[in-house]
Amino acid sequence: DGGITQSPKYLFRKEGQNVTLSCEQNLNHDAMYWYRQDPGQGLRLIYYSQIVNDFQKGDIAEGYSVSREKKESFPLTVTSAQKNPTAFYLCASSSRGGRTGANVLTFGAGSRLTVL
Amino acid sequence: AQKITQTQPGMFVQEKEAVTLDCTYDTSDPSYGLFWYKQPSSGEMIFLIYQGSYDQQNATEGRYSLNFQKARKSANLVISASQLGDSAMYFCAMSPVQDSYKLIFGSGTRLLVRP
Repeated sequence: DGGITQSPKYLFRKEGQNVTLSCEQNLNHDAMYWYRQDPGQGLRLIYYSQIVNDFQKGDIAEGYSVSREKKESFPLTVTSAQKNPTAFYLCASSSRGGRTGANVLTFGAGSRLTVL
Repeated sequence: AQKITQTQPGMFVQEKEAVTLDCTYDTSDPSYGLFWYKQPSSGEMIFLIYQGSYDQQNATEGRYSLNFQKARKSANLVISASQLGDSAMYFCAMSPVQDSYKLIFGSGTRLLVRP
């Protein structure tokens, strides 16, 4: 079945450590996204990528980094510069984007990061 | 700047009854898309319904319909014949047509369906 796989599902990190969250999709989608969700809040866009080897900052990119070396993969690194990294992270992809209204996102199951 | 407001943090509905989840938005973009997503306790976001700002008719998808009132800048979700499996968080979202990659979300409404 086509979909998005995020790993790990749960991750614990000590302060000062970098951590990388994996996101893989087999939907042949061009665009991929990373969102952050805090308790009782909606999703906020961290980074997005329209095509391979290209990505743009979202609303809360500080302290995060991404790469897009393959169409199927869009890993997110939470660096030690991120001051409050404990959150639920969701990866998504879409087949359309740019100047179209109906850009429907397909989401993964999420990764929950806790900083100890 | 764009903004989505969901004023109902939580709602209850009796099984088999209809429920309306409120969503208002603010944007200066002339063309935009409005979305509703469902988030069960498992965490995954599930797309429910889409409405384009220039669509003449309100969108419907099975038991879901979107009550779009452009002048009031509201895009309420109506769920008919509620089922126990409808218990979840519901998020309203919006993106401008000119840059549909930038989808912004409201804070969500938690719906609990009572048997």
